Amino acid sequence: EPEVTQTPSHQVTQMGQEVILRCVPISNHLYFYWYRQILGQKVEFLVSFYNNEISEKSEIFDDQFSVERPDGSNFTLKIRSTKLEDSAMYFCASSEKTGKSYEQYFGPGTRLTVT
Amino acid sequence: SQELEQSPQSLIVQEGKNLTINCTSSKTLYGLYWYKQKYGEGLIFLMMLQKGGEEKSHEKITAKLDEKKQQSSLHITASQPSHAGIYLCGADASGAGSYQLTFGKGTKLSVIP
Repeated sequence: EPEVTQTPSHQVTQMGQEVILRCVPISNHLYFYWYRQILGQKVEFLVSFYNNEISEKSEIFDDQFSVERPDGSNFTLKIRSTKLEDSAMYFCASSEKTGKSYEQYFGPGTRLTVT
Repeated sequence: SQELEQSPQSLIVQEGKNLTINCTSSKTLYGLYWYKQKYGEGLIFLMMLQKGGEEKSHEKITAKLDEKKQQSSLHITASQPSHAGIYLCGADASGAGSYQLTFGKGTKLSVIP
């Protein structure tokens, strides 16, 4: 069964460093998403991406964040200068289409620890 | 903005017992999703409901969306240890085909053998 994959599973970085989290969405999906979950808190939407551009973004997704689809299979989230409060589980998701009719499938997540 | 409240926050049941988890929205639900999460892992898609009164089942799990489309329930029949985990409801809040899902805090289910 097709699934969303994410690498690495765990990333430790020092404050101020850049990190890139990688995702391979399900192959026939066209819509891609990043969510995050701070330990003990809700899953929060960060950004959605379609046709090589951002469709929607939340207030969390500020100038320190960027997304890219560098090739036909990968979808990345970059945090330019990490802060302690960026420590969280980051989930990539994808859907065949968007809106109320289509399910979003999530990857296993990357646990980011900023020290 | 939309808020999703889940109840109970946690639940401990004996294997074989039935249970229900509720998700109540502050606004009309245009798409309601149920996911299961094991601690520290990803979200596993269970079901999606769209229409008021809709009910879907998968194995021993049944989810319903009420007629007014502001509440959903997830019912597990004859629970097993494999059902243990955190159940999250998520919703498409805008009704305009929004890309983003809003989630509840989750219900932690423990099943005692």
